[in-house]
Amino acid sequence: GESVGLHLPTLSVQEGDNSIINCAYSNSASDYFIWYKQESGKGPQFIIDIRSNMDKRQGQRVTVLLNKTVKHLSLQIAATQPGDSAVYFCAERSEEYGNKLVFGAGTILRVKS
Amino acid sequence: ETGVTQSPTHLIKTRGQQVTLRCSSQSGHNTVSWYQQALGQGPQFIFQYYREEENGRGNFPPRFSGLQFPNYSSELNVNALELDDSALYLCASTNGGLAKNIQYFGAGTRLSVL
Repeated sequence: GESVGLHLPTLSVQEGDNSIINCAYSNSASDYFIWYKQESGKGPQFIIDIRSNMDKRQGQRVTVLLNKTVKHLSLQIAATQPGDSAVYFCAERSEEYGNKLVFGAGTILRVKS
Repeated sequence: ETGVTQSPTHLIKTRGQQVTLRCSSQSGHNTVSWYQQALGQGPQFIFQYYREEENGRGNFPPRFSGLQFPNYSSELNVNALELDDSALYLCASTNGGLAKNIQYFGAGTRLSVL
């Protein structure tokens, strides 16, 4: 089949700059959102999550922003490092979806030294 | 390290064969979810097991089946393998049977169907 991976959006940033990765989610009833980082040959690694009753949450070097009006989620990474290079996925959960996470297609982050 | 372990890491099968993949959940977690990740795509939910019962299923045919054992480890079985079943199979564990608790993933099993 078609290799969708060739069409993944790619964000290239210089080491030390801030990165912003965006995600449009599909269900206005979604109540929980989560970001994962996936390096080549590895499983997704949890970064940060946020519930729908919040619009911002901060972690170590990362911030997630949620805009429910336009169904948009973003992940901000401060002082991006080469080790941040990976594919980033957002995922949503809603009662309508049952007990599952629905993942987006992913964004490739490349950090240039 | 998430504490979620999967075996085997790689597997090659031919069309029509059957395969069993295994997952050990993180200590203290009673819920295991299985996902299929095709190359260049996000993971797709197959099903979830909570306290040994199926607790939600995605849009996968019945030839995808599973089990959860009393120690909360889990198996994914796929019968009558098709070429499109080639993918990375991921297991994630959490507690409480809810998808809005953080799910921790294993490294996956890479299945190739020839």
